[in-house]
Amino acid sequence: GAGVSQTPSNKVTEKGKYVELRCDPISGHTALYWYRQSLGQGPEFLIYFQGTGAADDSGLPNDRFFAVRPEGSVSTLKIQRTERGDSAVYLCASSYGEGGTDTQYFGPGTRLTVL
Amino acid sequence: GQQVMQIPQYQHVQEGEDFTTYCNSSTTLSNIQWYKQRPGGHPVFLIQLVKSGEVKKQKRLTFQFGEAKKNSSLHITATQTTDVGTYFCAGFSGSARQLTFGSGTQLTVLP
Repeated sequence: GAGVSQTPSNKVTEKGKYVELRCDPISGHTALYWYRQSLGQGPEFLIYFQGTGAADDSGLPNDRFFAVRPEGSVSTLKIQRTERGDSAVYLCASSYGEGGTDTQYFGPGTRLTVL
Repeated sequence: GQQVMQIPQYQHVQEGEDFTTYCNSSTTLSNIQWYKQRPGGHPVFLIQLVKSGEVKKQKRLTFQFGEAKKNSSLHITATQTTDVGTYFCAGFSGSARQLTFGSGTQLTVLP
C-alpha cells in the first residue's frame, strides 16, 4: 500500500513569502505528526493531530507557523513571512494510534530553502 | 522540558567491527523507539521498548532499555556496509504526548 507522501519534495522561496507544505498520511491512520529536521539534528516535534484536531501544538516555534487537518486525513503546514532560519526538511509522520506508543511512518519530507 | 541526548555523534568503524550508540533522557520514559535514517532518506522505525530492563534483538541489532527507563542503547554486531546511516532514539513520556528525538549517531562503515 501507499506510504506517507509529502508535496512538494523541494521548495525554494524568498524571505518574507508564504508557503504551504502538504502531507498525505497512510489511509486509516488517525494520528498525524509534523516535525522539522535541521542538518545533523534529529526530528524536532512541531504539532500532533488526532483526527481533525490539534492535540498538541506546543512545538510550533511561533505564530508564523500553523497547520490544519480539516477532514482528518490530509494536513497542510503553513508558514507565513518565511525567514532564513525556517530552512530545514519538514517531515510528516502518521500512525494508526497515538504516535507515542504506536509505530510512526515517516514521509520523504519537504526540503524548504528560504533565500 | 524533556531532553534526549545521544552519543556519540559520529562513529566510523571497519566492516565487521561492532558499534554501539547510547541514549539518555532527562526524564523517565514510558517507552523508547529507535529509528534509522539512510543518507538522503527519512527515519524508518526499527523497534520500540516499553518495559524496564527490556532487551530485544533483530538479527545483528540488540536494543536495551535501562532499569530506570531513562537510558537505552543499540548495539550492532559485525557491522556491514548496509548498516550505514544515522540512528536515532526517540523517547515518549505520557505527559508530553510527543516523541522527543535524540540528535542521532551517524554511522560510517568502511569496507
